Amino acid sequence: DVKVTQSSRYLVKRTGEKVFLECVQDMDHENMFWYRQDPGLGLRLIYFSYDVKMKEKGDIPEGYSVSREKKERFSLILESASTNQTSMYLCASTTLGVIGAETQYFGPGTRLLVL
Amino acid sequence: AQTVTQSQPEMSVQEAETVTLSCTYDTSENNYYLFWYKQPPSRQMILVIRQEAYKQQNATENRFSVNFQKAAKSFSLKISDSQLGDTAMYFCAFMVPNSGYALNFGKGTSLLVTP
Repeated sequence: DVKVTQSSRYLVKRTGEKVFLECVQDMDHENMFWYRQDPGLGLRLIYFSYDVKMKEKGDIPEGYSVSREKKERFSLILESASTNQTSMYLCASTTLGVIGAETQYFGPGTRLLVL
Repeated sequence: AQTVTQSQPEMSVQEAETVTLSCTYDTSENNYYLFWYKQPPSRQMILVIRQEAYKQQNATENRFSVNFQKAAKSFSLKISDSQLGDTAMYFCAFMVPNSGYALNFGKGTSLLVTP
């Protein structure tokens, strides 16, 4: 079974703090993604990465950055947390080149509260 | 840009009945994939069913089937013999391979299955 894990299920941070959300997958997947989920808005893509040290902006990258130093790990960084970044953050991964590879596998999510 | 519309924010169905969740999308691409994902309360997002746009035959997975109407850009999900465990948020999603395999989600439909 594909496993995508996220470092925390719940986080509480203060405005202005630097926040790191970690995601690890154990299936040697090339592509990894960070989404933000808000009620009534569905999931929106923040950033994705298709290889180590490679990244692409998604639909809502402002206020976020990412890091992918190793293939299995994709980090989302909130440089200076703000209250409007209170949300559920979902990590996902997928592999390429085989039939059905386009299916994304999701982590359990991190619910972040910024006070 | 691709958009995905789920016009039913909430639905309910009685156990053992059949329910259909609607999804429409807008794209100028010819090669794409469509997905239905399920997110049970406080649990991980999982794939329900997927459809490749080049396939005319509608996808089926046990009690779940889709009605894919490419010309109408419609992709509805039918759940037969509904079970209490089907209670969840259901997200319709769209993906174009040349966009890095990122998913474009609808806002979701909350489905409640009642005894």
